Amino acid sequence: NAGVTQTPKFRILKIGQSMTLQCAQDMNHNYMYWYRQDPGMGLKLIYYSVGAGITDKGEVPNGYNVSRSTTEDFPLRLELAAPSQTSVYFCASTFFPPGQGHNSPLHFGNGTRLTVT
Amino acid sequence: DAKTTQPPSMDCAEGRAANLPCNHSTISGNEYVYWYRQIHSQGPQYIIHGLKNNETNEMASLIITEDRKSSTLILPHATLRDTAVYYCIVIPETSGSRLTFGEGTQLTVNP
Repeated sequence: NAGVTQTPKFRILKIGQSMTLQCAQDMNHNYMYWYRQDPGMGLKLIYYSVGAGITDKGEVPNGYNVSRSTTEDFPLRLELAAPSQTSVYFCASTFFPPGQGHNSPLHFGNGTRLTVT
Repeated sequence: DAKTTQPPSMDCAEGRAANLPCNHSTISGNEYVYWYRQIHSQGPQYIIHGLKNNETNEMASLIITEDRKSSTLILPHATLRDTAVYYCIVIPETSGSRLTFGEGTQLTVNP
């Protein structure tokens, strides 16, 4: 299994440009998450999904959109990039609902480092 | 959302035990305590989780107080590679599948 794969690894955008951050997992996980991490800070939840066709907002959803048309893929869309969106973006997945004691920890990708100038 | 309090930073000497505290005074019911760590901008890595009993695995031990209001993650023989940010997470029963992180504790293991 490849686990959670994020592409691209790095990207530089100009203000106002759009892009899609890709996230794919091959573990048949229902639950998928997008986080952003600003320098020196903790992870902030952007959006999450509990299964194909179902998404919900996290702590910081403004400026982002997601879709979940398949179990495997959970892309994150930035429509009008702003400097405040400069961050490292992490995608994660898990099989069982988090927090219910299952031995099903979050699996994280290696991140996408995005700079908006 | 993350109902935990952790010190922002800690230091530990290499080879000694690292004891990382976490307060979760409002924990209730069937809420589990999870620990993750993040090594230098990599994706976070699961360490251990527990409900009431102390837990141990190949990475660490988790000690949960009897009233469950706090816990301690123990790295028995810290190495330089254990330098990381450690996150203690309690996931509310009402959160659905929403999973948020706090700021964590920056553990620095010194030679």
